[in-house]
Amino acid sequence: GEDVEQSLFLSVREGDSSVINCTYTDSSSTYLYWYKQEPGAGLQLLTYIFSNMDMKQDQRLTVLLNKKDKHLSLRIADTQTGDSAIYFCAELADSSYKLIFGSGTRLLVRP
Amino acid sequence: GAVVSQHPSRVICKSGTSVKIECRSLDFQATTMFWYRQFPKKSLMLMATSNEGSKATYEQGVEKDKFLINHASLTLSTLTVTSAHPEDSSFYICSARVAGETYNEQFFGPGTRLTVL
Repeated sequence: GEDVEQSLFLSVREGDSSVINCTYTDSSSTYLYWYKQEPGAGLQLLTYIFSNMDMKQDQRLTVLLNKKDKHLSLRIADTQTGDSAIYFCAELADSSYKLIFGSGTRLLVRP
Repeated sequence: GAVVSQHPSRVICKSGTSVKIECRSLDFQATTMFWYRQFPKKSLMLMATSNEGSKATYEQGVEKDKFLINHASLTLSTLTVTSAHPEDSSFYICSARVAGETYNEQFFGPGTRLTVL
């Protein structure tokens, strides 16, 4: 079955790096995503990675994908207070274009 | 980037009434729209997939007669919660998939908070 898991909470100090982890079960997923949700708002796509890639970097964001272990991570460099939000990883159920979301990781950035 | 709007952003209704939520893609055509439900501090639960011009596909456990979905055009999908009850209170979010996009980016609306008294 499809299941995506994340740790629930992460607290970091401003300026430090944050690493949010995710494990998924569907090895056939071609795309994996990271979304950000601020309180009371919808989801904002931060970045995505294609399954044949190991790493993708986009400014302060680095995504690492370990297909063997079905492990995805998001590293945020120089974390700012504005990065405080809930971060969801998601995998694509290819045939239906459905996104299967993880439980979300609440990131708290302390000044 | 592409913008998806939802209306209303917040609605309070009495138990037994029906509520319609609109999801619009403002600057692109969306062949497929998705409706999610999110409980407080929880993840998004996919309710149904809405394809323009055809019947919606509902996820297991979602009552299609309770949550009516209509996708009448390439830019509008509606979700009607019929005979709403307090347990239907939730945050409803739609997303739209860009027609022809290969990496399947879905753009999310800002959500609608439904409170049923």
